[in-house]
Amino acid sequence: DQQVKQNSPSLSVQEGRISILNCDYTNSMFDYFLWYKKYPAEGPTFLISISSIKDKNEDGRFTVFLNKSAKHLSLHIVPSQPGDSAVYFCAAANYGGSQGNLIFGKGTKLSVKP
Amino acid sequence: EAQVTQNPRYLITVTGKKLTVTCSQNMNHEYMSWYRQDPGLGLRQIYYSMNVEATDKGDVPEGYKVSRKEKRNFPLILESPSPNQTSLYFCASSLLGAGVSSYNEQFFGPGTRLTVL
Repeated sequence: DQQVKQNSPSLSVQEGRISILNCDYTNSMFDYFLWYKKYPAEGPTFLISISSIKDKNEDGRFTVFLNKSAKHLSLHIVPSQPGDSAVYFCAAANYGGSQGNLIFGKGTKLSVKP
Repeated sequence: EAQVTQNPRYLITVTGKKLTVTCSQNMNHEYMSWYRQDPGLGLRQIYYSMNVEATDKGDVPEGYKVSRKEKRNFPLILESPSPNQTSLYFCASSLLGAGVSSYNEQFFGPGTRLTVL
């Protein structure tokens, strides 16, 4: 059973507009959530994270929102740039328990059109 | 430069021929892990290691072995590769913290694309 779900395989956005990537999870034991970005022919790179004790974390153009009651998180990119075109993976960890192990979603391919 | 390196980057082999994919990190990280990425399935963990001589199975360990004899190296071994192990493999490493308040990000290698004929 998939514990971390990214239901949109792809998303296309115009440059300058907002990109919203969504992620749902089922395991209430998850206490840390992360977004990784992956370009073709490269390994994933860490983008932004949020602890379960917070509902929002912001880093420049990137903001992650966490709704624990809905078991839902989202990544907002404002404004979107063509260089943001990549596959974005949502990941979750039970950091208080299984130290270090991440459960990844299937990814959402973001295309930002100039 | 802090990095995770994997070798080889590309490998084509035949069914049953033993192979090893090496992974090395220069950041003195305790935690290391192997993932495979398949279309439509995302990243799935194969094995992980919390420190030297401490390894454990991830979600998809069948057909794989690992070892952690040194802190910096975490090789992935396929004793008898099969076509269903054709995939893109990533090694990752991180420091280990002390819970949610001390999260440490995982650094990923560039990937190894394996084809088993």
